[in-house]
Order: sequence, then C-alpha cells, then structure tokens
Amino acid sequence: AQSVTQPDIHITVSEGASLELRCNYSYGATPYLFWYVQSPGQGLQLLLKYFSGDTLVQGIKGFEAEFKRSQSSFNLRKPSVHWSDAAEYFCAVVIHSSASKIIFGSGTRLSIRP
Amino acid sequence: DTAVSQTPKYLVTQMGNDKSIKCEQNLGHDTMYWYKQDSKKFLKIMFSYNNKELIINETVPNRFSPKSPDKAHLNLHINSLELGDSAVYFCASSRQEWGALETQYFGPGTRLLVL
Repeated sequence: AQSVTQPDIHITVSEGASLELRCNYSYGATPYLFWYVQSPGQGLQLLLKYFSGDTLVQGIKGFEAEFKRSQSSFNLRKPSVHWSDAAEYFCAVVIHSSASKIIFGSGTRLSIRP
Repeated sequence: DTAVSQTPKYLVTQMGNDKSIKCEQNLGHDTMYWYKQDSKKFLKIMFSYNNKELIINETVPNRFSPKSPDKAHLNLHINSLELGDSAVYFCASSRQEWGALETQYFGPGTRLLVL
C-alpha cells in the first residue's frame, strides 16, 4: 500500500541551528509531495510542495525540501531555526493514479532549545 | 478575516449524545474537507465535498453525517457519540481545479472530548 513515513517522532534543535526533517514515501512512481506545518492549537498550513521539475523546492518561512527519487525521500530543511518554528510538521503525498485525496504522515514534533 | 472558521473550538459531551460542528470558509473555494486528528497527531481525511456534492467518504461510521447547505459551509453532525470519537476535527477548503493537489486551507480545529 502507498504510504508516507516520518521516522522521527520528536526532534529538538537549538535556536540558530540547522534542521532536517525526514520524509519517505512508498510508491512505484513519483507522487506529488507536500510539507505542512501545524503550530500549537492551530490548523495546518502549507509550507511547500513538489510536483515536478527542479528537485529543490523553496517554501515559506525559509524552508526548503529536496526530492530524491533514488531514496524515495522528500526531506525538509532550514538553515537556521527560530523559536517560532516549534510546531508539528507533516509530510503528505497525493499519488498520481488517484488525485482525489491527500495522505499525511504521522508528523514530527519540533522543539527549539533556547 | 478568518479564512476557514470552525465552531465550537472545544466540545465536551457525554457518550451517546448527538453533536454538530460547523465550518465556514470565505475563500470562495469549491471543495471542503473534514479531517480527524487522533491523540497521536495522526491526521486522516473523513469527507470531501465539491460544490455541495460528496466526493470522498473514507469508511467513516454512519454516525457521522456531513451536511453542506452551500459551498461555503460544511457541517459535521455526529450521532450517538462514543469514547473513540474524542479527537481534534479539522475543516479545510481548497480550490476545485486540481483536486487534492490544490493547497488546502485549514480551520483552527474543534477539540471534541467524549466522557
């Protein structure tokens, strides 16, 4: 079955440090890929998405993600995190054969150490 | 102005009761969704409506009945509430053109606790 996996449940990084959140998908072809962020007590907000083309995608709030077909990965990165980045991050996929629903990963909680 | 709003924000109720959650979007979108987020933060789609027409029903129990009086509203009615219904319910909306590929805009969530 098609799925999306976020192997890290919880990550803590120091403010100003770099960040990488992992996302792997399981599907024969390239899916459409997304990263959403959920701030505490809020709904989800789209950070960025990848459909095709340049495999390095720029998003809002200084985030970027790189699609690596050979690794079936779409990791989210930020060169220098801010305390306001503390949130839950969800990777998501829409598979090509059925662009009718989005499937979310289980999320990675990001904490920021002062 | 709030793009996607939900009421109530918190809902505490007894098992067996019937309750409704309302959702409204002022973005002019044609598609609206209901998601359930469990205690482990796992987020799963329940329903999707496009121009008041049901598009997705993800094997949700019949106790859950969405109602879309117009394309700006998608309400969720839950009959005979069970303990396992305790969760955060999110409403979302998007444009119709590219279906699930469109950016979805989420409401702030309704935290339902069934006692």
